[in-house]
Amino acid sequence: RKEVEQDPGPFNVPEGATVAFNCTYSNSASQSFFWYRQDCRKEPKLLMSVYSSGNEDGRFTAQLNRASQYISLLIRDSKLSDSATYLCVVNMRAGNMLTFGGGTRLMVKP
Amino acid sequence: DAGVTQSPTHLIKTRGQQVTLRCSPKSGHDTVSWYQQALGQGPQFIFQYYEEEERQRGNFPDRFSGHQFPNYSSELNVNALLLGDSALYLCASSLWTGVGQPQHFGDGTRLSIL
Repeated sequence: RKEVEQDPGPFNVPEGATVAFNCTYSNSASQSFFWYRQDCRKEPKLLMSVYSSGNEDGRFTAQLNRASQYISLLIRDSKLSDSATYLCVVNMRAGNMLTFGGGTRLMVKP
Repeated sequence: DAGVTQSPTHLIKTRGQQVTLRCSPKSGHDTVSWYQQALGQGPQFIFQYYEEEERQRGNFPDRFSGHQFPNYSSELNVNALLLGDSALYLCASSLWTGVGQPQHFGDGTRLSIL
């Protein structure tokens, strides 16, 4: 079983749609959680950190459920520019070693 | 304020050769981590350097080695290259004391093995 699992997609949605991505992680002692965005052939860029209380940044909302070891990302009012791969990332051990999921590909169409 | 910089951008090697990739961390950061990203997959952790020592290591063979210099910059060396080493190699920097903080990535080095 992979340490961080995501549905690879692709998710094909029209502009303006709401889309949700889910991620599960295996290590219950995991300490910190992030969503990164990666455009084709580019480096991952931090989209947002994920906090236990849930957090929102504009059209993006992240939730963490420690009991179920589950992380989600909700994107409202999708834009064409949201098309990218979204990586679920977990800091699973002491120190600062990040474990990435395989990524979920989103394609927003006109 | 310079971000994470990596060189070279692209590299083509043949099987059995050796390669060295370079990384300069974001200004103010003291910790460098290296990741390998194969096509269609998420990045995988190779190792992390702080105070010129390897602090953590992922599941990679000894052919992968590294170094950190007093100015915090780092090198990744891969010996006896295999076709499967073809990937995007990403460097990320952070603060050692900032456990749990997000890391900042460079543009990566795309390595192709023929």
